[in-house]
Amino acid sequence: GENVEQHPSTLSVQEGDSAVIKCTYSDSASNYFPWYKQELGKGPQLIIDIRSNVGEKKDQRIAVTLNKTAKHFSLHITETQPEDSAVYFCAASPGGSQGNLIFGKGTKLSVKP
Amino acid sequence: ETGVTQTPRHLVMGMTNKKSLKCEQHLGHNAMYWYKQSAKKPLELMFVYNFKEQTENNSVPSRFSPECPNSSHLFLHLHTLQPEDSALYLCASSQDAGGAEGSGELFFGEGSRLTVL
Repeated sequence: GENVEQHPSTLSVQEGDSAVIKCTYSDSASNYFPWYKQELGKGPQLIIDIRSNVGEKKDQRIAVTLNKTAKHFSLHITETQPEDSAVYFCAASPGGSQGNLIFGKGTKLSVKP
Repeated sequence: ETGVTQTPRHLVMGMTNKKSLKCEQHLGHNAMYWYKQSAKKPLELMFVYNFKEQTENNSVPSRFSPECPNSSHLFLHLHTLQPEDSALYLCASSQDAGGAEGSGELFFGEGSRLTVL
């Protein structure tokens, strides 16, 4: 079955710097890769996703890249702000069914003002 | 009220108790999910309901019993739990449980923090 590895587990950056979180997956049939942000005391919330027919997707300060050959995908946050502080989860969906999302262990991002 | 609402937010129970977690979604979605979130572990999918029918049971022990009376409500009945079952239980919904295409996003509630003594 699918296995998703996420690194780093914690990341601390200065406000204004960029943050990069990386994930690898094992199942070459996986074709949907969302990223969720979980703030303290709240449930995860989708912030961006990418499908296997696309190499990169951007939404303002957030971008996701996908390398299908290497089976890894990354989240890039530019011009980080204190409100970006949260736990970020990557996930992969074998066959595209979101009901079977396999999540990484999460990255706790701290943005220091 | 909008989104996905979970009650109670916190629950402490003994190993011999019976309790239930409740989830309600106001998004008109057809699929609902239970996830378990433990410290330093990935989110674990427990159950999936699509159009009120259970489509997935991820090898969850029988001391966890889900119930989905309609597309808007989902329960997780708890019986004779173990201390290692202490975790945050997250409910989520989506338009449907997807298929070969897969679409949409999961909308999560804020979770029910369960402590088993």
